[in-house]
Amino acid sequence: DTGVSQDPRHKITKRGQNVTFRCDPISEHNRLYWYRQTLGQGPEFLTYFQNEAQLEKSRLLSDRFSAERPKGSFSTLEIQRTEQGDSAMYLCASNLKRGATGELFFGEGSRLTVL
Amino acid sequence: GENVEQHPSTLSVQEGDSAVIKCTYSDSASNYFPWYKQELGKRPQLIIDIRSNVGEKKDQRIAVTLNKTAKHFSLHITETQPEDSAVYFCAARSGGSNYKLTFGKGTLLTVNP
Repeated sequence: DTGVSQDPRHKITKRGQNVTFRCDPISEHNRLYWYRQTLGQGPEFLTYFQNEAQLEKSRLLSDRFSAERPKGSFSTLEIQRTEQGDSAMYLCASNLKRGATGELFFGEGSRLTVL
Repeated sequence: GENVEQHPSTLSVQEGDSAVIKCTYSDSASNYFPWYKQELGKRPQLIIDIRSNVGEKKDQRIAVTLNKTAKHFSLHITETQPEDSAVYFCAARSGGSNYKLTFGKGTLLTVNP
């Protein structure tokens, strides 16, 4: 499968613990996004990378959240001191800056449950 | 920032009927409007999109219309089939950003055989 892959698919953690999610975009894609999706809602934008540069962070991303994309390839999203309100599906997506369309290619998501 | 409203939140139709989902957006400079389909437990996938310089686009049983003056766009599915059952999300890309999509809350479409 040459699509966007995310790991882990599911994570259950206790409040206060740290968690890290990984995203491997489609190999030639230079743009990478993280979105958060809660039950009954559409995906909400969290952050955006063009190559290795993080160009925008949503106000939804508190200081407990950090994202990186070293070398402009895979990306990680870390949540420190998790809270119950962090429980959600974290979706990664990628595309090309100069793609024919603006289509986002999503991964299957990483579902976080904070107990 | 951009705000996208989507209606209805749930829609139930009989197989073969048409389904229409409507969205409004707030930023008059928005220029790109995709629709994504998300089946249960699966990733969202693009089904059709339209740019602001076009009023209508069709792909087999699916069509999207855009009214820039009223700032709304709609998804039309004709001859619905049970496999069309899913959650559909509209989205808009603000003119101030060439990358960020703002999504609606989604419509759960159920097609009854």
